[in-house]
Amino acid sequence: DAMVIQNPRYQVTQFGKPVTLSCSQTLNHNVMYWYQQKSSQAPKLLFHYYDKDFNNEADTPDNFQSRRPNTSFCFLDIRSPGLGDAAMYLCATSRGGAGSNQPQHFGDGTRLSIL
Amino acid sequence: GQQLNQSPQSMFIQEGEDVSMNCTSSSIFNTWLWYKQDPGEGPVLLIALYKAGELTSNGRLTAQFGITRKDSFLNISASIPSDVGIYFCAGGGMDSNYQLIWGAGTKLIIKP
Repeated sequence: DAMVIQNPRYQVTQFGKPVTLSCSQTLNHNVMYWYQQKSSQAPKLLFHYYDKDFNNEADTPDNFQSRRPNTSFCFLDIRSPGLGDAAMYLCATSRGGAGSNQPQHFGDGTRLSIL
Repeated sequence: GQQLNQSPQSMFIQEGEDVSMNCTSSSIFNTWLWYKQDPGEGPVLLIALYKAGELTSNGRLTAQFGITRKDSFLNISASIPSDVGIYFCAGGGMDSNYQLIWGAGTKLIIKP
Protein backbone atom coordinates (compact mmCIF):
# COMPACT_ATOMS: atom_id res chain seq x y z
CA ASP A 1 0.00 0.00 0.00
CA ALA A 2 1.16 3.52 -0.74
CA MET A 3 1.99 5.27 2.48
CA VAL A 4 4.10 7.60 4.59
CA ILE A 5 6.72 5.77 6.65
CA GLN A 6 8.59 7.24 9.57
CA ASN A 7 11.65 5.75 11.20
CA PRO A 8 12.31 5.11 13.94
CA ARG A 9 8.97 4.99 15.79
CA TYR A 10 10.73 5.78 19.05
CA GLN A 11 13.97 7.69 19.46
CA VAL A 12 15.84 8.46 22.64
CA THR A 13 18.69 10.94 22.61
CA GLN A 14 20.75 12.82 25.13
CA PHE A 15 20.37 16.49 25.88
CA GLY A 16 22.38 18.39 23.27
CA LYS A 17 23.17 15.35 21.11
CA PRO A 18 22.14 15.79 17.46
CA VAL A 19 19.39 13.53 16.21
CA THR A 20 17.90 12.84 12.78
CA LEU A 21 14.40 11.58 12.09
CA SER A 22 13.49 10.19 8.68
CA CYS A 23 10.39 10.03 6.53
CA SER A 24 9.77 8.29 3.24
CA GLN A 25 6.70 8.18 1.04
CA THR A 26 5.42 6.02 -1.78
CA LEU A 27 2.56 8.37 -2.68
CA ASN A 28 4.75 10.39 -5.07
CA HIS A 29 3.45 13.59 -3.50
CA ASN A 30 5.46 16.70 -4.20
CA VAL A 31 4.80 18.41 -0.85
CA MET A 32 6.24 17.07 2.40
CA TYR A 33 5.72 18.49 5.88
CA TRP A 34 7.21 18.13 9.35
CA TYR A 35 5.05 18.74 12.40
CA GLN A 36 5.72 18.71 16.12
CA GLN A 37 2.93 17.45 18.37
CA LYS A 38 2.87 17.58 22.18
CA SER A 39 0.52 15.80 24.60
CA SER A 40 -2.82 15.64 22.75
CA GLN A 41 -2.41 19.09 21.25
CA ALA A 42 -2.94 19.76 17.58
CA PRO A 43 0.10 19.24 15.34
CA LYS A 44 2.28 22.33 14.91
CA LEU A 45 3.85 22.87 11.49
CA LEU A 46 7.63 23.30 11.55
CA PHE A 47 8.33 23.54 7.81
CA HIS A 48 7.41 22.08 4.47
CA TYR A 49 8.94 21.39 1.08
CA TYR A 50 7.15 22.11 -2.16
CA ASP A 51 9.30 19.98 -4.45
CA LYS A 52 12.78 21.23 -3.53
CA ASP A 53 11.62 24.61 -2.25
CA PHE A 54 12.00 24.82 1.53
CA ASN A 55 9.46 26.85 3.52
CA ASN A 56 10.19 27.52 7.18
CA GLU A 57 7.49 28.62 9.61
CA ALA A 58 8.37 31.93 11.26
CA ASP A 59 8.35 30.51 14.78
CA THR A 60 10.33 27.32 14.08
CA PRO A 61 13.53 27.41 16.13
CA ASP A 62 16.87 27.47 14.30
CA ASN A 63 17.68 24.25 16.13
CA PHE A 64 15.41 22.45 13.66
CA GLN A 65 16.63 21.83 10.13
CA SER A 66 15.40 19.69 7.27
CA ARG A 67 16.73 18.01 4.16
CA ARG A 68 14.92 16.55 1.18
CA PRO A 69 17.40 14.74 -1.04
CA ASN A 70 14.73 13.44 -3.43
CA THR A 71 10.95 13.23 -3.86
CA SER A 72 10.59 10.20 -1.62
CA PHE A 73 12.67 11.12 1.42
CA CYS A 74 12.72 13.93 3.93
CA PHE A 75 14.76 14.29 7.12
CA LEU A 76 14.34 16.32 10.27
CA ASP A 77 17.58 17.26 12.02
CA ILE A 78 17.57 18.58 15.56
CA ARG A 79 21.02 20.02 16.13
CA SER A 80 21.02 20.37 19.91
CA PRO A 81 17.91 18.84 21.44
CA GLY A 82 16.63 20.37 24.63
CA LEU A 83 14.16 18.92 27.10
CA GLY A 84 11.43 21.01 25.52
CA ASP A 85 11.93 19.23 22.20
CA ALA A 86 10.56 15.95 23.56
CA ALA A 87 7.46 15.37 21.47
CA MET A 88 5.88 13.34 18.69
CA TYR A 89 7.23 14.37 15.28
CA LEU A 90 4.89 13.78 12.38
CA CYS A 91 5.68 13.72 8.69
CA ALA A 92 2.94 14.36 6.16
CA THR A 93 2.63 14.60 2.40
CA SER A 94 0.18 16.10 -0.04
CA ARG A 95 -0.20 16.57 -3.75
CA GLY A 96 0.53 20.21 -4.48
CA GLY A 97 -1.40 22.10 -7.06
CA ALA A 98 -3.58 25.07 -7.77
CA GLY A 99 -5.44 26.17 -4.66
CA SER A 100 -3.54 23.56 -2.60
CA ASN A 101 -6.81 21.85 -1.70
CA GLN A 102 -5.36 18.38 -1.50
CA PRO A 103 -5.48 16.78 1.97
CA GLN A 104 -2.36 15.89 3.92
CA HIS A 105 -1.56 12.25 4.67
CA PHE A 106 0.40 11.46 7.82
CA GLY A 107 2.90 8.88 8.94
CA ASP A 108 2.65 7.26 12.35
CA GLY A 109 5.21 9.61 13.84
CA THR A 110 8.44 9.33 15.77
CA ARG A 111 8.21 9.83 19.52
CA LEU A 112 11.38 11.60 20.66
CA SER A 113 12.54 11.42 24.26
CA ILE A 114 15.39 13.50 25.67
CA LEU A 115 17.50 12.21 28.56
CA GLY B 1 -3.98 34.91 13.51
CA GLN B 2 -6.44 32.41 12.15
CA GLN B 3 -8.01 30.05 14.66
CA LEU B 4 -10.47 27.21 14.65
CA ASN B 5 -12.79 26.73 17.60
CA GLN B 6 -13.53 23.03 18.01
CA SER B 7 -16.12 21.75 20.43
CA PRO B 8 -16.68 19.93 22.58
CA GLN B 9 -13.21 19.43 24.03
CA SER B 10 -14.15 15.93 25.21
CA MET B 11 -17.17 13.67 25.14
CA PHE B 12 -18.16 10.74 27.33
CA ILE B 13 -20.69 8.59 25.53
CA GLN B 14 -22.33 5.20 25.77
CA GLU B 15 -21.66 2.64 23.07
CA GLY B 16 -24.37 2.93 20.44
CA GLU B 17 -24.96 6.65 20.93
CA ASP B 18 -24.64 9.20 18.16
CA VAL B 19 -21.86 11.78 18.41
CA SER B 20 -21.64 15.29 17.05
CA MET B 21 -18.73 17.73 17.07
CA ASN B 22 -18.09 20.95 15.22
CA CYS B 23 -15.57 23.58 14.27
CA THR B 24 -16.09 27.26 13.62
CA SER B 25 -13.81 29.99 12.40
CA SER B 26 -13.85 33.70 11.73
CA SER B 27 -11.95 32.98 8.50
CA ILE B 28 -13.07 31.39 5.26
CA PHE B 29 -11.50 28.11 4.20
CA ASN B 30 -11.53 26.38 0.83
CA THR B 31 -11.08 22.94 2.39
CA TRP B 32 -12.24 21.34 5.63
CA LEU B 33 -10.60 18.13 6.76
CA TRP B 34 -11.50 15.78 9.60
CA TYR B 35 -8.81 13.53 11.09
CA LYS B 36 -8.84 10.88 13.82
CA GLN B 37 -5.77 10.18 15.88
CA ASP B 38 -5.27 7.10 18.05
CA PRO B 39 -2.69 7.13 20.87
CA GLY B 40 0.87 6.81 19.58
CA GLU B 41 -0.14 7.06 15.94
CA GLY B 42 -0.44 9.72 13.30
CA PRO B 43 -3.69 11.43 12.30
CA VAL B 44 -5.75 9.49 9.78
CA LEU B 45 -7.88 11.37 7.27
CA LEU B 46 -11.58 10.59 7.72
CA ILE B 47 -13.35 13.03 5.42
CA ALA B 48 -12.24 15.86 3.14
CA LEU B 49 -14.72 18.60 2.16
CA TYR B 50 -14.13 20.93 -0.78
CA LYS B 51 -17.37 22.80 -1.53
CA ALA B 52 -19.54 25.04 0.60
CA GLY B 53 -22.65 23.14 1.63
CA GLU B 54 -21.11 19.77 0.75
CA LEU B 55 -22.36 16.84 2.84
CA THR B 56 -20.17 13.74 2.72
CA SER B 57 -20.43 10.34 4.38
CA ASN B 58 -17.83 7.69 5.13
CA GLY B 59 -19.54 4.69 6.68
CA ARG B 60 -21.02 5.81 10.00
CA LEU B 61 -19.37 9.23 9.68
CA THR B 62 -21.02 12.25 8.11
CA ALA B 63 -19.48 15.69 7.74
CA GLN B 64 -20.68 18.94 6.23
CA PHE B 65 -18.88 22.01 4.92
CA GLY B 66 -20.82 25.04 6.14
CA ILE B 67 -22.44 27.25 3.55
CA THR B 68 -20.48 30.27 4.79
CA ARG B 69 -17.21 28.25 4.52
CA LYS B 70 -16.51 29.16 8.14
CA ASP B 71 -17.69 26.01 9.87
CA SER B 72 -18.02 22.25 9.66
CA PHE B 73 -19.50 19.44 11.72
CA LEU B 74 -18.76 15.75 12.04
CA ASN B 75 -21.36 13.23 13.14
CA ILE B 76 -20.71 9.63 14.14
CA SER B 77 -23.73 7.34 14.29
CA ALA B 78 -24.06 4.32 16.57
CA SER B 79 -20.66 4.68 18.20
CA ILE B 80 -18.51 1.61 18.83
CA PRO B 81 -15.45 1.14 21.08
CA SER B 82 -12.95 1.66 18.24
CA ASP B 83 -14.32 5.18 17.73
CA VAL B 84 -12.38 6.22 20.84
CA GLY B 85 -9.64 8.70 20.03
CA ILE B 86 -9.04 12.36 19.30
CA TYR B 87 -10.80 13.97 16.36
CA PHE B 88 -9.26 17.05 14.76
CA CYS B 89 -10.76 19.43 12.26
CA ALA B 90 -8.43 21.39 10.00
CA GLY B 91 -9.10 24.18 7.53
CA GLY B 92 -6.94 24.77 4.51
CA GLY B 93 -6.59 25.88 0.94
CA MET B 94 -6.34 29.62 1.60
CA ASP B 95 -4.47 31.68 -0.98
CA SER B 96 -2.37 28.72 -2.17
CA ASN B 97 -0.94 28.50 1.33
CA TYR B 98 -0.17 24.91 2.23
CA GLN B 99 -0.62 25.45 5.93
CA LEU B 100 -3.54 23.83 7.72
CA ILE B 101 -5.23 25.61 10.60
CA TRP B 102 -6.09 23.03 13.27
CA GLY B 103 -8.79 22.79 15.88
CA ALA B 104 -7.74 21.79 19.40
CA GLY B 105 -9.33 18.35 19.05
CA THR B 106 -12.30 16.50 20.51
CA LYS B 107 -11.43 13.54 22.72
CA LEU B 108 -14.03 10.80 22.46
CA ILE B 109 -14.31 8.43 25.41
CA ILE B 110 -16.77 5.57 25.66
CA LYS B 111 -18.20 4.87 29.10
CA PRO B 112 -17.71 1.30 30.25
